[in-house]
Amino acid sequence: RKEVEQDPGPFNVPEGATVAFNCTYSNSASQSFFWYRQDCRKEPKLLMSVYSSGNEDGRFTAQLNRASQYISLLIRDSKLSDSATYLCVVNDGNTDKLIFGTGTRLQVFP
Amino acid sequence: EPEVTQTPSHQVTQMGQEVILRCVPISNHLYFYWYRQILGQKVEFLVSFYNNEISEKSEIFDDQFSVERPDGSNFTLKIRSTKLEDSAMYFCASSARSPVNEQFFGPGTRLTVL
Repeated sequence: RKEVEQDPGPFNVPEGATVAFNCTYSNSASQSFFWYRQDCRKEPKLLMSVYSSGNEDGRFTAQLNRASQYISLLIRDSKLSDSATYLCVVNDGNTDKLIFGTGTRLQVFP
Repeated sequence: EPEVTQTPSHQVTQMGQEVILRCVPISNHLYFYWYRQILGQKVEFLVSFYNNEISEKSEIFDDQFSVERPDGSNFTLKIRSTKLEDSAMYFCASSARSPVNEQFFGPGTRLTVL
């Protein structure tokens, strides 16, 4: 099983749509969970940390299910500027090392 | 907003040459990292650094690699004898680590080994 697994997409959605991304991770000892976004040939940018209780930041909602080792990201009211690759990231057990998924590509069209 | 900076943005070198990639982490951060991303692949951890020593390194980070914090602001990655397969984007990241280890990435250095 891959350490962090994501559907590579692409997800092609119209502006205003709601889109959800899922991710699973293999290390049950992971403590920190994040969604980053990465534009083509740019650095990963932190979108949000993910907490057990779930958290929301504007149009973005993240959920964590530790029992299933599953993380999700919901984007509401998609904008053209949301087009990017969304990276699911977890830390490796009790270390600082971040393990990245391969990313899910989102393309929002007018 | 404070950010991580990296220089150069692009480095072209011949196989076997030494390269030094430079990073200036966010000023109040204490934890520093290097990652790399080969074109079309995922981001991979190389090394973490805290209190002037390596805290963890991956199997990629072999004897050809070293890191240093030569002064109060810079954090460098040296590759002693570059190989073709070292061609990648190298990202520096830093973290305040408290309360959550949110790591902030620099814009990267694209290393091309010919």
